[in-house]
Amino acid sequence: KAGVTQTPRYLIKTRGQQVTLSCSPISGHRSVSWYQQTPGQGLQFLFEYFSETQRNKGNFPGRFSGRQFSNSRSEMNVSTLELGDSALYLCASSLGQLDHGYTFGSGTRLTVV
Amino acid sequence: SQQGEEDPQALSIQEGENATMNCSYKTSINNLQWYRQNSGRGLVHLILIRSNEREKHSGRLRVTLDTSKKSSSLLITASRAADTASYFCATTSGTYKYIFGTGTRLKVLA
Repeated sequence: KAGVTQTPRYLIKTRGQQVTLSCSPISGHRSVSWYQQTPGQGLQFLFEYFSETQRNKGNFPGRFSGRQFSNSRSEMNVSTLELGDSALYLCASSLGQLDHGYTFGSGTRLTVV
Repeated sequence: SQQGEEDPQALSIQEGENATMNCSYKTSINNLQWYRQNSGRGLVHLILIRSNEREKHSGRLRVTLDTSKKSSSLLITASRAADTASYFCATTSGTYKYIFGTGTRLKVLA
């Protein structure tokens, strides 16, 4: 079966712009989580959606937002980009139960200049 | 702050040797998972161990969990060059929010 698909793979944006990243989970997976990975901070949890509802949120400013559609596809949006937002953004899908592991996408590499 | 801290930060071994990495966490957990990441790509789920389990095996992987010490270890036996990657532990305390550790970079020399 198809894996988790993240688009685009690479993105270069200018400070102040906004960006939307997309994630298509594995068919049947209703939970989508987003992580930001940087060399300095490691993997930081952004938020998790299950059946179109945000169940958990990490400690990121309001510039970071997300949503999930009825087909479980998810998008995250970052507004007013800052240089520090440059990172690998990873999406992970799961069945949404605690004893199930994540399946990660390959990530979107965002560079803010 | 991160829930999990891996130790060592980096490890270099010869092919065929065993690799052991450790993870410590701060609060009580529901389960602990280990993931592998190759060269900044997506993470691959390796194994999940529940809080009421002490040891689990999967192929060449052996994971132990000591909830009294709030620590876990991942043993990779008979390492191969293809095992070269970063390894992360991830824990949840009952919410649908997994916290990842800082990772151990493993290099297996052929």
